[in-house]
Amino acid sequence: DVKVTQSSRYLVKRTGEKVFLECVQDMDHENMFWYRQDPGLGLRLIYFSYDVKMKEKGDIPEGYSVSREKKERFSLILESASTNQTSMYLCASTSERTGPDGYTFGSGTRLTVV
Amino acid sequence: AQSVTQPDIHITVSEGASLELRCNYSYGATPYLFWYVQSPGQGLQLLLKYFSGDTLVQGIKGFEAEFKRSQSSFNLRKPSVHWSDAAEYFCAVARFKAAGNKLTFGGGTRVLVKP
Repeated sequence: DVKVTQSSRYLVKRTGEKVFLECVQDMDHENMFWYRQDPGLGLRLIYFSYDVKMKEKGDIPEGYSVSREKKERFSLILESASTNQTSMYLCASTSERTGPDGYTFGSGTRLTVV
Repeated sequence: AQSVTQPDIHITVSEGASLELRCNYSYGATPYLFWYVQSPGQGLQLLLKYFSGDTLVQGIKGFEAEFKRSQSSFNLRKPSVHWSDAAEYFCAVARFKAAGNKLTFGGGTRVLVKP
């Protein structure tokens, strides 16, 4: 089975800290995604990447950046964490072959910024 | 830009009753449509999908959905709800063969099941 692993299940960070959320997939998928999930707003796309070192902004990129130096790893960076970034963050991946049909999601990281 | 609207934030249904969840999408081309379920404390699971062909699609757990192009809708239904169907349901849309294969999700509908 494809696995998408997010390094932390829960994180508590202070306002102004630089925060790294890590995501690793083990099935050689080209496409990787970061979403945030908030009640009533569903999942909103922050950034995605369709190849190593390639990245594109999603719908809500402000306050975030990403890094994809290796195919299996996609990192989300909060340059200076703020309380409005308290949320559940979900990573996902899929291959070019299966497209949107083959999404696999991680278990999520619940980030609290205090 | 593509968008998805789920008009109902919460729905409460009695066990054994039928369930219908609404989904409307805005998209210029032929959409690729999905329904996902997220049970409490669980990850997202794909229920069903539609791209072409028969507009009534069957999914897992006894769910079905109907694509209506004229109404830009893709509503999810289940004839008889079980207590285990209590969860949050998300409708999503993608553009077929678009670079990156990104999914756009609706706001979700939380389903509560009364005994």
